[in-house]
Amino acid sequence: QVQLQESGPGLVKPSETLSLTCSVSGDSISSYYWSWIRQPPGKGLEWIGHIYYSGSTTYNPSLKSRVTISVDTSKKKFSLKLRSVTAADTAVYFCAREVWTAGSGVYYFDYWGQGTLVTVSS
Amino acid sequence: DIQMTQSPSSLSASVGERVTITCRASQSIGNYLNWYQQKPGKAPNLLIFAASSLQSGVPSRFIGSGSGTDFTLTVTSLLPEDFATYYCQQSYSTPRTFGGGTKVEIK
Repeated sequence: QVQLQESGPGLVKPSETLSLTCSVSGDSISSYYWSWIRQPPGKGLEWIGHIYYSGSTTYNPSLKSRVTISVDTSKKKFSLKLRSVTAADTAVYFCAREVWTAGSGVYYFDYWGQGTLVTVSS
Repeated sequence: DIQMTQSPSSLSASVGERVTITCRASQSIGNYLNWYQQKPGKAPNLLIFAASSLQSGVPSRFIGSGSGTDFTLTVTSLLPEDFATYYCQQSYSTPRTFGGGTKVEIK
């Protein structure tokens, strides 16, 4: 059974950098895209970006200037850094696996971490 | 970016009722449309991928249909555990985008 687990500080000061890590267990990290998705309290879902196991990244243009996603395949972890945070970055942050199947030809998020609340406040 | 618009944003229904949620894309996305269910304090859970394919382990009362720009998720007979928020999501292009959600509440 694939499991994803987010970890990192739950409180970040304004203007500082939010750093989270997602640990993957139960399957290889290879041959998949790995995403970060966030959800402000009481609101909808926003895709932050993803990384292929090879290290290739795509970011949401709305956050691109502040985001870096990296992967460590040997440790089966991938990470998110979001710089210069403000209160608007307060959200539950999820990591998720994005899979593509030849039969469907479509990408979808099949496994998610439980999510971790990050609050931006001084 | 492709905008995903869900309707209604919320609905009240009774156990046993048939419920339909609509999702519209701002441009044609073929069948690159997925549906998720989210319960309070939990991560979203995949229900339907590729517009109409049922994810393994998901009950057959969940039915997805549509292509192009218009999609629907139907729950044929609501059970108590189905009261939740439902999101559509396109994977036709990046950035991946989600609909605003439809909260299904108990009448």
